[in-house]
Amino acid sequence: AQRVTQPEKLLSVFKGAPVELKCNYSYSGSPELFWYVQYSRQRLQLLLRHISRESIKGFTADLNKGETSFHLKKPFAQEEDSAMYYCALSLHNFNKFYFGSGTKLNVKP
Amino acid sequence: SAVISQKPSRDICQRGTSLTIQCQVDSQVTMMFWYRQQPGQSLTLIATANQGSEATYESGFVIDKFPISRPNLTFSTLTVSNMSPEDSSIYLCSVSLMNTEAFFGQGTRLTVV
Repeated sequence: AQRVTQPEKLLSVFKGAPVELKCNYSYSGSPELFWYVQYSRQRLQLLLRHISRESIKGFTADLNKGETSFHLKKPFAQEEDSAMYYCALSLHNFNKFYFGSGTKLNVKP
Repeated sequence: SAVISQKPSRDICQRGTSLTIQCQVDSQVTMMFWYRQQPGQSLTLIATANQGSEATYESGFVIDKFPISRPNLTFSTLTVSNMSPEDSSIYLCSVSLMNTEAFFGQGTRLTVV
């Protein structure tokens, strides 16, 4: 069965420090991996997806199939990055998403 | 993109009663999804609402507890039946376009007392 694991419930860093939010997954097929973000009082929204290989708001994430990981990174955290971050896995052609438990990122001034 | 509207945004209900949550999308979509987010936990998929057929439920969720309707390609309802305090959660409607990205409603915050 598919599973997404985010080991950290809370991550606190100072502004300007590097950030890495960990995500590991288990799935026997070829999943599509995503990072979703939820800012305070806003709805859940897409941050980035692995197939796009893009950088959004300075964040990047590389899919490592050997380690079954999809960690989210940013070299210099900003206060506005404070939010809940969810790693998600989508099954190809099924449109369903399975989410990790989320990591709350707190960027201190 | 897709814009999703959910009603109600929040409600406080007595145990033993039922609540129906509505989800409206601004475009036609094949599948709509219902998630539950219990306090301090992640989103858990409840079921997939298919237009023209019965909903498909995930393990641990049953139709008697969470009946779903999907009368057309832009609308769905989720009913939380015979509620107990353990049903207190945020319920989210979601759609996925072209198997690329999921869009979410603002959620319905349900408190059962």
